[in-house]
Amino acid sequence: GAVVSQHPSWVICKSGTSVKIECRSLDFQATTMFWYRQFPKQSLMLMATSNEGSKATYEQGVEKDKFLINHASLTLSTLTVTSAHPEDSSFYICSAIRDRGPGNTIYFGEGSWLTVV
Amino acid sequence: DAKTTQPPSMDCAEGRAANLPCNHSTISGNEYVYWYRQIHSQGPQYIIHGLKNNETNEMASLIITEDRKSSTLILPHATLRDTAVYYCIVRNYNTDKLIFGTGTRLQVFP
Repeated sequence: GAVVSQHPSWVICKSGTSVKIECRSLDFQATTMFWYRQFPKQSLMLMATSNEGSKATYEQGVEKDKFLINHASLTLSTLTVTSAHPEDSSFYICSAIRDRGPGNTIYFGEGSWLTVV
Repeated sequence: DAKTTQPPSMDCAEGRAANLPCNHSTISGNEYVYWYRQIHSQGPQYIIHGLKNNETNEMASLIITEDRKSSTLILPHATLRDTAVYYCIVRNYNTDKLIFGTGTRLQVFP
């Protein structure tokens, strides 16, 4: 079964509003989570690294004020898309590391579809 | 981040072995090779990973060349449900980041 869960699976919101996506590690504590976005027929693009108890680290070109990431506990990270616009419509995916270390598995969530109308 | 190169697409007959190649010539000595696959509209599914030894699990086998500059993912008996995009990724040793390339779209046909 899934070890990383995202909620909601899909969401439709109006332009200008904010929407929050949750990423939970179900049976382990994840000190580090990652957020990706994926446009149709394209590969996953890493947006940011989320570390529990500290500020997220954003990849170049990703607006940190638009994509707010909070990693308040060892099992939950949230991505808030603020003032959403139609171009923010995308598939958002999170991943979590069970234990730090180069040989350990990184698990992905099921993804969340965001449509901004 | 070490880059990977994969063929954009491959076909495989159902029941036959699917061999998916990957080049990672700039890989560092302590970086692992990971394989994931993504079925349409789902999150990536972990398949296997390795450092330098060949690895096998219930899903697949991973063959890494001795110089570690390339690897091959083997699905021993492909089924229609194995149709997906397969990603070969080198995991960054310091940051744990997984940077996805374009992957190989594997089409399994009856």
